[in-house]
Amino acid sequence: KAGVTQTPRYLIKTRGQQVTLSCSPISGHRSVSWYQQTPGQGLQFLFEYFSETQRNKGNFPGRFSGRQFSNSRSEMNVSTLELGDSALYLCASSLQGISGNTIYFGEGSWLTVV
Amino acid sequence: AQSVTQLGSHVSVSEGALVLLRCNYSSSVPPYLFWYVQYPNQGLQLLLKYTSAATLVKGINGFEAEFKKSETSFHLTKPSAHMSDAAEYFCAVSDQGGSEKLVFGKGTKLTVNP
Repeated sequence: KAGVTQTPRYLIKTRGQQVTLSCSPISGHRSVSWYQQTPGQGLQFLFEYFSETQRNKGNFPGRFSGRQFSNSRSEMNVSTLELGDSALYLCASSLQGISGNTIYFGEGSWLTVV
Repeated sequence: AQSVTQLGSHVSVSEGALVLLRCNYSSSVPPYLFWYVQYPNQGLQLLLKYTSAATLVKGINGFEAEFKKSETSFHLTKPSAHMSDAAEYFCAVSDQGGSEKLVFGKGTKLTVNP
């Protein structure tokens, strides 16, 4: 069974640009979450989607957005990039998105903003 | 609000020695607790999780953790360290009955010396 797949793995963007990251969950999983990992702030929850609906959102500015498609695939978008957005963005999936579910993480997308 | 404290950002042990990584949590409701491992340039891999069944939880790669409600702790142990255990370890919590959102500790980097 294929794991959580994230694309692209590495990318470099310039301040002010926007970026879209893609995530394909494990087959059959309906919940997708996104996390940002930085050396300073550690792992922080961005948002969670279930059946195309955002169910939970972390404390990030509106420049961070996401969506989920009918096939459970998800994208997140960051507009007007800032240097501080440089991070590893991790996508995770689970069967039902309820507390206690096993959450599987992808390899992440490394974003560098210059 | 939930929080996780991992004591010691860096832990160094000799190969064959006991591994003990500490995690204390704060949660207003009974929690679910998780340990994840992250190898360099990779995503997170679940080692084990506590979901209110047995308080002693066995995971992959010989790791185990014990839930102690009185101490609000969920320390991770392995009797004998192997070189391949060198990685960063994250403790995380989510609330029972709530969303699957994980709140992570800052992580502990484990070094295994030959």
